[in-house]
Amino acid sequence: DAGVIQSPRHEVTEMGQEVTLRCKPISGHNSLFWYRQTMMRGLELLIYFNNNVPIDDSGMPEDRFSAKMPNASFSTLKIQPSEPRDSAVYFCASSFGQVYQPQHFGDGTRLSIL
Amino acid sequence: KQEVTQIPAALSVPEGENLVLNCSFTDSAIYNLQWFRQDPGKGLTSLLLIQSSQREQTSGRLNASLDKSSGRSTLYIAASQPGDSATYLCAVRPTGSEKLVFGKGTKLTVNP
Repeated sequence: DAGVIQSPRHEVTEMGQEVTLRCKPISGHNSLFWYRQTMMRGLELLIYFNNNVPIDDSGMPEDRFSAKMPNASFSTLKIQPSEPRDSAVYFCASSFGQVYQPQHFGDGTRLSIL
Repeated sequence: KQEVTQIPAALSVPEGENLVLNCSFTDSAIYNLQWFRQDPGKGLTSLLLIQSSQREQTSGRLNASLDKSSGRSTLYIAASQPGDSATYLCAVRPTGSEKLVFGKGTKLTVNP
């Protein structure tokens, strides 16, 4: 089975540009999570969806961040405009949705904002 | 607010040694606790998931224990190998939430 697929793997762009990160969850999973990992703060949950509906976006740092899940097999995380402090590794994870099931992570997108 | 702490932040051991990684959490109201492995430049690989009603889980050379009342978990690695070198993270799922709250990890180096 294919795991969680994220694209791009690496993104380098200048501040002020729009950045879009993409995620394809594992087929059949109905919960999707976006995390951000930095050296200072570790792994932090930004937002999660259940059955394509955003459930908790309290971790989204600012209005510059937005996330969508138009269908069960695709999600995007968008930053507009981007800033150097957004540089981090962004992970997407999915699970079967029941709290007793493990989350499965993608390989992440390493984002560098110059 | 749930907080997860992992000590030590880094650990270096010779090959063949048995070792224990520690994880503590501040609120015992959890559904479960999950141990992950992260290799450099990679995502997280789930190693073991312990439900709140369980005391331990085993997979090969790995054994994870959970003492919910004291807010502690340990990951025991037997007969460590250089291939075990990675960062190990623990995460708890608070009751009433689908979120995971992560510790900052323990970076393990197993020297040949």
